[in-house]
Amino acid sequence: AQSVAQPEDQVNVAEGNPLTVKCTYSVSGNPYLFWYVQYPNRGLQFLLKYITGDNLVKGSYGFEAEFNKSQTSFHLKKPSALVSDSALYFCAVRDEYNFNKFYFGSGTKLNVKP
Amino acid sequence: DAGITQSPRHKVTETGTPVTLRCHQTENHRYMYWYRQDPGHGLRLIHYSYGVKDTDKGEVSDGYSVSRSKTEDFLLTLESATSSQTSVYFCAISEKEATVRDPDTQYFGPGTRLTVL
Repeated sequence: AQSVAQPEDQVNVAEGNPLTVKCTYSVSGNPYLFWYVQYPNRGLQFLLKYITGDNLVKGSYGFEAEFNKSQTSFHLKKPSALVSDSALYFCAVRDEYNFNKFYFGSGTKLNVKP
Repeated sequence: DAGITQSPRHKVTETGTPVTLRCHQTENHRYMYWYRQDPGHGLRLIHYSYGVKDTDKGEVSDGYSVSRSKTEDFLLTLESATSSQTSVYFCAISEKEATVRDPDTQYFGPGTRLTVL
């Protein structure tokens, strides 16, 4: 079975500091991993995805994610946080045997304080 | 929100009543999905469609049915709503069938907040 875990319900960071939102995954085959962001009263917006290749994936709004196979992690990062980055972030994994199914983590609320 | 609308955006209903939520897309994408979002659970797939009249179950399909008679519309029906179905419902679309080389990205609608009293 495919699953992802987001161990932190909330992450607090000061504006201008680097941020990390953690995600670990469990898959039986190759992982296809995604990050989405949700702003209040909005749907989810795609940030980036990992398929194969470089372990550092660059995405929208200056975000990037680091894939680590040995630690089964796919942490979301940004070198310098903005107050406008405050939102709910979801990690997701694609089912290797049925690509039409996504499995989402429980979400991490990012608070960036001025 | 990628040419996806959901209606209604908010609904309050009573236990035992039927409810239908509508997802409409203008992108002509083949694949459509219904999710529910609950605190502590993230998003969970209810049903999805891979073409007109072609649908399949997700991980939390009990108590829900779907229909897709046109490419642009995907309906989610709660035949007899229960309080456990109080949630925020999201529709999503994707253009093409995902493959090993390209697990296609999903794009989400704005959501429908449903309260069952």
